[in-house]
Amino acid sequence: RKEVEQDPGPFNVPEGATVAFNCTYSNSASQSFFWYRQDCRKEPKLLMSVYSSGNEDGRFTAQLNRASQYISLLIRDSKLSDSATYLCVVQDSGYALNFGKGTSLLVTP
Amino acid sequence: DTGVSQNPRHKITKRGQNVTFRCDPISEHNRLYWYRQTLGQGPEFLTYFQNEAQLEKSRLLSDRFSAERPKGSFSTLEIQRTEQGDSAMYLCASSNRDSDTDTQYFGPGTRLTVL
Repeated sequence: RKEVEQDPGPFNVPEGATVAFNCTYSNSASQSFFWYRQDCRKEPKLLMSVYSSGNEDGRFTAQLNRASQYISLLIRDSKLSDSATYLCVVQDSGYALNFGKGTSLLVTP
Repeated sequence: DTGVSQNPRHKITKRGQNVTFRCDPISEHNRLYWYRQTLGQGPEFLTYFQNEAQLEKSRLLSDRFSAERPKGSFSTLEIQRTEQGDSAMYLCASSNRDSDTDTQYFGPGTRLTVL
């Protein structure tokens, strides 16, 4: 069983829509959590860290539920430029980042 | 541009040949990581350096793979006797242990195709 599980999508949504991605992780001792964004044939880039208290950055809101081992990302008012693959990332006690397969988002006009 | 750089960006080789990739991290970063990404998958961790010391290696890193960071600055990843299954994007990342977040920043990657 892969440590980080995500629905690969694709999610096709119109501009202005709200879209939510979910992710589960298997290691209850995991310590840090992130969402990275990856454009086609580009490197992953940190979108935001995820905290139990929830955190928001503009149109993006991330939430962590440690009891359910569940991470979410909400994107409000989707833009064409949000089209990308969103990678759920979990870091255990070491230094390696454990990536999910990614969820593909396509925002259409 | 002071981001992570990787060379070459693309490499095509024949099965059985050796290849070497280079990564130059962000200048003040003391941690350096190598990952591999195949189509439709997220990146998978290969190895990690703190300064010049290689502190962690994944089981994915077979005996044909070796990584070095001789002076704690740039790093090289060598694959000997390449196989078609080695075809992937090889990503390097760096971070600063002394920062609050220790965020890993990725380079553009080296895309390897083994024919």
